[in-house]
Amino acid sequence: DIVMTQSPDSLAVSLGERATINCKSSQSVLYNSNNKNYLAWYQQKPGQPPKLLIYWASIRESGVPARFSGSGSGTDFTLTISSLQAEDVAVYYCQQYFNTPLAFGPGTRVEIK
Amino acid sequence: QVQLQESGPGLLKPSETLSLTCTVSGGSMRSYYWSWLRQTPGQGLEWIGDISFGGRTNYNPSLKSRVAISVDMSKTLLTLRLSSVTAADTALYYCARNEGDGDYFEYWGQGTLVTVSS
Repeated sequence: DIVMTQSPDSLAVSLGERATINCKSSQSVLYNSNNKNYLAWYQQKPGQPPKLLIYWASIRESGVPARFSGSGSGTDFTLTISSLQAEDVAVYYCQQYFNTPLAFGPGTRVEIK
Repeated sequence: QVQLQESGPGLLKPSETLSLTCTVSGGSMRSYYWSWLRQTPGQGLEWIGDISFGGRTNYNPSLKSRVAISVDMSKTLLTLRLSSVTAADTALYYCARNEGDGDYFEYWGQGTLVTVSS
């Protein structure tokens, strides 16, 4: 099974500043035949289900603000919020869908400093 | 707009069987896989398993011996059964649609809380 880890567990960032969240998979989620990374990012606010932000590691879901971006390949990935807004306070999860069992990281809590 | 809504008993006793349903509206169930997931403060988000519109299932090995997922296309219903529950199965249970090109999730239900307690 692929195990997902995230760092940091939590971070506090000033409004307008950059937030960077890291995600690591225990094995590569890059499928060589199509050169795609099977990695998604979600945002979850209290009392709500996770919201899809990014898929294929770097493709922003429709309607997601451009300040959210995903990067990385293989086993190491990053979600960046370029200019943190108050509404971005949430827990962020990465998820691999390279194989089953599908697996999520433990989450990173983002707060305002 | 696809909408999913979970329903089922909120409280179970240890050793009982959990049975949840997910009603899908606003779109066809065909051509997609449909998943059950759960979330606990301690274990985070856990994928339980999924099912295709044709009835093909995939289960998380950690739960495979106790899980059954079924689908009724005519009623647009997705069902989860989890047998021999324990306190460790206390969680918020979600249904979600696997996207067509990859097993990530755009559409989720709001979740239903299941508590296992004697």
